[in-house]
Amino acid sequence: ETGVTQTPRHLVMGMTNKKSLKCEQHLGHNAMYWYKQSAKKPLELMFVYNFKEQTENNSVPSRFSPECPNSSHLFLHLHTLQPEDSALYLCASSQAGLPTTQYFGPGTRLTVL
Amino acid sequence: AQKVTQAQTEISVVEKEDVTLDCVYETRDTTYYLFWYKQPPSGELVFLIRRNSFDEQNEISGRYSWNFQKSTSSFNFTITASQVVDSAVYFCALSDSGNTPLVFGKGTRLSVIA
Repeated sequence: ETGVTQTPRHLVMGMTNKKSLKCEQHLGHNAMYWYKQSAKKPLELMFVYNFKEQTENNSVPSRFSPECPNSSHLFLHLHTLQPEDSALYLCASSQAGLPTTQYFGPGTRLTVL
Repeated sequence: AQKVTQAQTEISVVEKEDVTLDCVYETRDTTYYLFWYKQPPSGELVFLIRRNSFDEQNEISGRYSWNFQKSTSSFNFTITASQVVDSAVYFCALSDSGNTPLVFGKGTRLSVIA
């Protein structure tokens, strides 16, 4: 498999559920990112990992918990979400350092009931 | 300051028309990258092009062309002979040494009508 993959592609969950989003990159990159895209809102950067270390957390609520076990995998653990968290969650990867080119996965469309 | 402005929120054209999507950027760096991404209804952000700040040559790829002008801080994207499959949201983006690795514009929604 090539590029950046994300699973699941669609997820419906209740506010009391716990679920995880998975991202995997096959590009040999060492930086990974989570973005949130809500309807009619610009793309929001949530988390940045460089060489498995979190280097950015854009004031994201603690109900979103990222995990980066190695440079190829990135998870977003979700618990006690709110309906306003319904959005498209996009993962991206790149080489570390700036400026950089990011490559995106297909996204997980999350609906919180 | 890092900023990308896409003033056109939505554009609608008839198939086979040419269309230009505008992008204006702000950066204090002399070294930076500019990008265009396409987001079809499926949601995935598809990388189209990267241009570095030292290369002002315009680029053409099939029906797509890009016009980079440092003098006006613009990086415009033209689709020639548009097709229905070009319907998508197009994002212009900037990467420099600033706090945000990749700064996106708000996107332009292009609708191509058959």
